[in-house]
This record gives sequence, C-alpha cells and structure tokens, in this order.
Amino acid sequence: QKEVEQDPGPLSVPEGAIVSLNCTYSNSAFQYFMWYRQYSRKGPELLMYTYSSGNKEDGRFTAQVDKSSKYISLFIRDSQPSDSATYLCAMSDNYGQNFVFGPGTRLSVLP
Amino acid sequence: DAGITQSPRHKVTETGTPVTLRCHQTENHRYMYWYRQDPGHGLRLIHYSYGVKDTDKGEVSDGYSVSRSKTEDFLLTLESATSSQTSVYFCAISEDSSYNSPLHFGNGTRLTVT
Repeated sequence: QKEVEQDPGPLSVPEGAIVSLNCTYSNSAFQYFMWYRQYSRKGPELLMYTYSSGNKEDGRFTAQVDKSSKYISLFIRDSQPSDSATYLCAMSDNYGQNFVFGPGTRLSVLP
Repeated sequence: DAGITQSPRHKVTETGTPVTLRCHQTENHRYMYWYRQDPGHGLRLIHYSYGVKDTDKGEVSDGYSVSRSKTEDFLLTLESATSSQTSVYFCAISEDSSYNSPLHFGNGTRLTVT
C-alpha cells in the first residue's frame, strides 16, 4: 500500500459543477496537509495548506482534513475551464523536510 | 514562479554520461529541494539543502549528488545517467522549516536518458 493514495482520474465535470478531490493516507503522524495545482508542463503551484484537522476556505476552494479517517479533501465550487489541471495532495509529519505527495488527480472542466 | 529558474528546461543525454541540473533562486530562501516526478509515483524527494554546504538525502537519492556553494544555487548531478533516471526534475524552495513556509516549485527540467 502506498503511503498516500489518490484517484488518478481523469475526472471530467461540466463548468459550474462542484468538484471533490480526495486523498487517503496511512501514516497517522502526518499533521501538515497541502494541495497543489499543476498545469501541463509547469511546476506545482500551492493552493491550500492546513494543519491538523478541520476546514479551511479560500475563495472557491475548501480544504478538509479528517485525521480520524486519514482522509483529506479539496472542494472546488463553481468550477471553471481554467481549473483544468492535475491536483496533487501532499502531507508531512515534520514540515519542511519530507513531504509525501500523492500521484495527482487529473481534472477536466468542460465549457 | 516564485523566483526559481531551472536550467536546462530540456535535456537528452546518453546512458553513462554525467549530467548536472541547475536551480537558481532569487528569494534568498534557506531551504532548497530536488524532486523527481514520474507517472503514478507523484513527486519524490531526491536531496534537499538547509543551508550553504548543508545537504541531506531524500527518499530516492541513489545515483544522485548535490552541491550548494551559494544560497541562490542548488545543483543536482547524475553521476552516470541511466534510463531509469528519465524523468521530470523539479526544484523547490522554502523560507524555513516552519508551518508558514510552504514549498514553491520551479517549472522543471525534462530529462531523457537514451
């Protein structure tokens, strides 16, 4: 079992839909959680980061962490074609030295 | 792109040759990292640096070495390139190791070893 699992997709949704992206993990020591967006031929771009459990909202994006279930989610409201990208989750038990990344979910938002 | 420049952007090399990739930052951040990205594996840490001349190994360090002689430059060397090192290599930086200092990535170097 990989340390971080993520459905690779592709996930196709119509414009305006609510998108749910998820990661599961096995290491209960993880306490820092991040979501990155990666466009084709570009580097990952930080979207959200959270510490421990709970929700965090930033514009159309909401990140949720459920440490009891070892499950994190990223919700995108009112999705746009410009949201079409690969979304990576990342987590760490010791911030700054050893983040573990999921393989990414490819999202396509259709106009 | 957070002031990170990777060079070259693309490289094709032959098995057995040495290759050096360069990461240059203009942010004066303390931490610098080299990751590789392969389909189905996500990003995996090769080496990282926590200051000039201070480096440590990551998850997939075999066959790679690094050097950091200046704050702004972090070099990754493949001592004798193999086909398994065909990948996209990303440099990342962070200001320090605290929670409020996330990773910022460059745009990558696409390396093909034939």
